[in-house]
Amino acid sequence: RKEVEQDPGPFNVPEGATVAFNCTYSNSASQSFFWYRQDCRKEPKLLMSVYSSGNEDGRFTAQLNRASQYISLLIRDSKLSDSATYLCVVRGYQKVTFGIGTKLQVIP
Amino acid sequence: DTGVSQNPRHKITKRGQNVTFRCDPISEHNRLYWYRQTLGQGPEFLTYFQNEAQLEKSRLLSDRFSAERPKGSFSTLEIQRTEQGDSAMYLCASSLGLAVYQETQYFGPGTRLLVL
Repeated sequence: RKEVEQDPGPFNVPEGATVAFNCTYSNSASQSFFWYRQDCRKEPKLLMSVYSSGNEDGRFTAQLNRASQYISLLIRDSKLSDSATYLCVVRGYQKVTFGIGTKLQVIP
Repeated sequence: DTGVSQNPRHKITKRGQNVTFRCDPISEHNRLYWYRQTLGQGPEFLTYFQNEAQLEKSRLLSDRFSAERPKGSFSTLEIQRTEQGDSAMYLCASSLGLAVYQETQYFGPGTRLLVL
């Protein structure tokens, strides 16, 4: 089993739609969790950290479920500019593991 | 520009040659990471430094790969005897080493390596 698993997509959604991505991780000792966004041929950029209590930043909501070992990202009211690859990141004591990324394409 | 910088941005080399990449982190950041990313994959962790100390190395980092951060500022990644399988984007990231859950990594633009 991979340490961090994501559905690579692509997810093709119309503008204004709500879309959700999940990411599962295998190491129950993982300490911190993040979502990064990567545009085509660009470097990854932090979208948001993920806390047990859940956190929201505008149209984006991230949640962590430690019992089931997954994190999620919800995007409401999708914009064309949200088209990108969303990378799930899981951090242990020393090691950082990225998922393969989920590609989102928002269609006019 | 006060972000993470990497040089060169592109490198084409022949199989068997040695290459060296440089990363200049954000100035006050004490942690520096190296990753490798191939098409359609997420970044793969290679190694990380806290100040000048190399604290973790991935098993992906074969003995042909070596990284240094001699004064705790910039870092170099050297690949000896390059192979075609080394072709990838090499990404550097830096962070201010707060508590792990607070850490934000800032990535450089990467060095794209092509081994012919």
